[in-house]
Amino acid sequence: NAGVTQTPKFRILKIGQSMTLQCTQDMNHNYMYWYRQDPGMGLKLIYYSVGAGITDKGEVPNGYNVSRSTTEDFPLRLELAAPSQTSVYFCASSYQTGMGHIQPLHFGNGTRLTVT
Amino acid sequence: AQKVTQAQTEISVVEKEDVTLDCVYETRDTTYYLFWYKQPPSGELVFLIRRNSFDEQNEISGRYSWNFQKSTSSFNFTITASQVVDSAVYFCALSEAQMDSSYKLIFGSGTRLLVRP
Repeated sequence: NAGVTQTPKFRILKIGQSMTLQCTQDMNHNYMYWYRQDPGMGLKLIYYSVGAGITDKGEVPNGYNVSRSTTEDFPLRLELAAPSQTSVYFCASSYQTGMGHIQPLHFGNGTRLTVT
Repeated sequence: AQKVTQAQTEISVVEKEDVTLDCVYETRDTTYYLFWYKQPPSGELVFLIRRNSFDEQNEISGRYSWNFQKSTSSFNFTITASQVVDSAVYFCALSEAQMDSSYKLIFGSGTRLLVRP
């Protein structure tokens, strides 16, 4: 199992450009998440999904879009990149058992994005 | 809304000292889960422990131990006989239930631990 795979690892964008951060998982998890981690800070939830076709906003969704057309993939789209979006982006996946027990998040290795 | 507070921004200890990382949370949920994650200098996020709100037993795993107290809404993490390899940022996280029975995880701001030789 590869777990959670994020691409690219690094990217530099100019202000106003757009890009898609890719995230795929091979564990058949229904939950997927996007977090951002600003330098020296904690993790802020951008968007999450509880299954294919279902997405919801987190704490800091402005400037981002997501889609979840399959269980495996959860891409994060940045439109009109701004310097404030310079951050490390982490994708994660998880699941909830039939009894409702929440399982730990499995994280990808992150995408370091710089907007200049 | 749910909230996780890690008041200690940075802690510096000398190797072999014991160190406790504090985590205080606020929740309106009756059933919830708490987690600790480690982020070493290499940057990945490593799961350490999960605890649900029904289980107040303390847990020990090698040099790591966790103290969960619902009465004080705390889930503290102790490293005994710290080692240089324990140097990392440690995050506490709390589940937040949604109206549709789904959940999301809210993270604290992290505590940076530096263990000096």
